[in-house]
Amino acid sequence: DAGVTQSPTHLIKTRGQQVTLRCSPISGHKSVSWYQQVLGQGPQFIFQYYEKEERGRGNFPDRFSARQFPNYSSELNVNALLLGDSALYLCASSTTSWGGETQYFGPGTRLLVL
Amino acid sequence: QQPVQSPQAVILREGEDAVINCSSSKALYSVHWYRQKHGEAPVFLMILLKGGEQKGHEKISASFNEKKQQSSLYLTASQLSYSGTYFCGTEEGSGSRLTFGEGTQLTVNP
Repeated sequence: DAGVTQSPTHLIKTRGQQVTLRCSPISGHKSVSWYQQVLGQGPQFIFQYYEKEERGRGNFPDRFSARQFPNYSSELNVNALLLGDSALYLCASSTTSWGGETQYFGPGTRLLVL
Repeated sequence: QQPVQSPQAVILREGEDAVINCSSSKALYSVHWYRQKHGEAPVFLMILLKGGEQKGHEKISASFNEKKQQSSLYLTASQLSYSGTYFCGTEEGSGSRLTFGEGTQLTVNP
């Protein structure tokens, strides 16, 4: 079975630009969560979507937005990029948005902002 | 609030045992454990839920002390493949938002 897939794998942008990251969950999973992982730190929660609705938002500025599509895939958008946005962006899928569910991570998109 | 992991790093020889701890100041619904190798995605190891239920790999063992809001991951008879950074992720409510610790770097040498 295919795992969580993300695209692109790597991305280089300059300050002020906008970026869109994509995620396809495991088949049958209806919940997608986005995390930002800065080098040397643990992943930090950005958003969770379930059945196309936002179910949770972390402590990130409004420059970060996301959405989930009818096929449960998801996009994360970041506007007005800053140097500090350079990180590995991870997508995780789970069957529901309830607690105690295993979240399976994708390989991530490594974003470098110059 | 971010859970605290200890130790920050540990070096083992193949076959030795290790314990990694995760502590939170918040009441927890569950604790999730992941291993991440350099440049790769975190890989699920174990979930421990409030009430005692556990889900995860047969070869991995862990505990969750609900009174102290502490969890420990037990790695026995370590193998070279166990090397990586171990993260605990905690859920405070039932909404599946994970808050991760800063990680424990485990190195297993031959």
